[in-house]
Amino acid sequence: DTAVSQTPKYLVTQMGNDKSIKCEQNLGHDTMYWYKQDSKKFLKIMFSYNNKELIINETVPNRFSPKSPDKAHLNLHINSLELGDSAVYFCASSPWSGEQFFGPGTRLTVL
Amino acid sequence: QKEVEQDPGPLSVPEGAIVSLNCTYSNSAFQYFMWYRQYSRKGPELLMYTYSSGNKEDGRFTAQVDKSSKYISLFIRDSQPSDSATYLCAMSADDYKLSFGAGTTVTVRA
Repeated sequence: DTAVSQTPKYLVTQMGNDKSIKCEQNLGHDTMYWYKQDSKKFLKIMFSYNNKELIINETVPNRFSPKSPDKAHLNLHINSLELGDSAVYFCASSPWSGEQFFGPGTRLTVL
Repeated sequence: QKEVEQDPGPLSVPEGAIVSLNCTYSNSAFQYFMWYRQYSRKGPELLMYTYSSGNKEDGRFTAQVDKSSKYISLFIRDSQPSDSATYLCAMSADDYKLSFGAGTTVTVRA
């Protein structure tokens, strides 16, 4: 199946821990994104990579670090997790600067 | 003022009704307009995409863009219970950055 996939789907962890979320797309797109969706369902962009180059870096705590090993993969590493990091994180990809296609999300709960 | 304002809802309609969803925006640089549907605990799914003023139809869905008024709409005809979801408008200015509305939750009653 062609799609944007994320692992894990659910992540429950303690405050202070470090965790990573992985994303892969097999759509052949050049650009990938990370979004955060809060409890009120508002989607906000965090980062974007185009062909492994960081092109969007919104105001996000530097505990969050994206990494793109190749244009089909974009990972998100979070250090020193805080309660406020609890949210759903979505990966997306796009062939250009228009329409974006989203993954199923990773529900992060920080206890 | 948010860049994208979306009618908050929630909206509850009987099966077969027309659903009308609206967003306004303030950034005149926006040129690409999208509507996404998000079912509970799922990722947003692209429903409609357009880049020009006017109407675009796809089955029971019609997207309308009025760039002069900075206003976009999505109409769902003959609504079905399976259309019950949160609908998100999104737009971008050719800078890879999508700005989303806050979403409108729609329930279609059988």
